Amino acid sequence: TQLLEQSPQFLSIQEGENLTVYCNSSSVFSSLQWYRQEPGEGPVLLVTVVTGGEVKKLKRLTFQFGDARKDSSLHITAAQPGDTGLYLCAGDWGDYKLSFGAGTTVTVRA
Amino acid sequence: DAGITQSPRYKITETGRQVTLMCHQTWSHSYMFWYRQDLGHGLRLIYYSAAADITDKGEVPDGYVVSRSKTENFPLTLESATRSQTSVYFCASSEGFEAFFGQGTRLTVV
Repeated sequence: TQLLEQSPQFLSIQEGENLTVYCNSSSVFSSLQWYRQEPGEGPVLLVTVVTGGEVKKLKRLTFQFGDARKDSSLHITAAQPGDTGLYLCAGDWGDYKLSFGAGTTVTVRA
Repeated sequence: DAGITQSPRYKITETGRQVTLMCHQTWSHSYMFWYRQDLGHGLRLIYYSAAADITDKGEVPDGYVVSRSKTENFPLTLESATRSQTSVYFCASSEGFEAFFGQGTRLTVV
C-alpha cells in the first residue's frame, strides 16, 4: 500500500486568514489530485498536477507539486466560510488507482 | 441525467445478511472504483474495474464481491455483512487519473 500523509488533520481559522495543507509521500507520483468534500457528499475534484514543480491557481486556491513529485501543497488565500470542508489529496502511481490521504478538515469562522 | 449515481443512499442491515450497493455511470468511463470512507482512514479502495468483465482487488477487498457485466454498472455486494463493514461507500469512475464520485451510500450493519 502506498502511503500518503496529509497535514494538518484539522485547521480552524478566521475569515480572511491564509492556510496551507500539505500532502507527502515517500514514493514518486505519476499525478496528484486535490479534492474537496462537503458533509453528505462525495469528493469533488479541484485540480490535477502532473509535472514536477507545477503550480496551478484556482481563484484563491494555489496548488503546488514538488520538484521530485513526492509532495504537494494547497494554499488558500483570504479564506472564506465557503471554503469550509474536508480537503483530500490523492496520488496515482501510474495505474489510475488513487490512494488518498486521511484528509484535512478546514473550518473558516466568520 | 449525466453523471454517477449510487443507490440506496442509506441502508441498515443485520449482521450476516447479504446486501448489494448499486453504482451507475452515464459517461461510459472505462474505470470504476469502490471506496469506503471511515474516520481516521480516509478513503480506501475496495475493488476496481478497468473495463467490463475486468475487476481486481484494492486495499481492503475481504468480505466484498463485485461484478461488471456492463460498462455503466458496477455493483458491490457484501456477502455476509459484519459490523466492521459499517461505513460510507463511494463509487467513482474515470477515464484517466481524474475520478468522479457518486454521493455515497451510508451503510449501517446492526
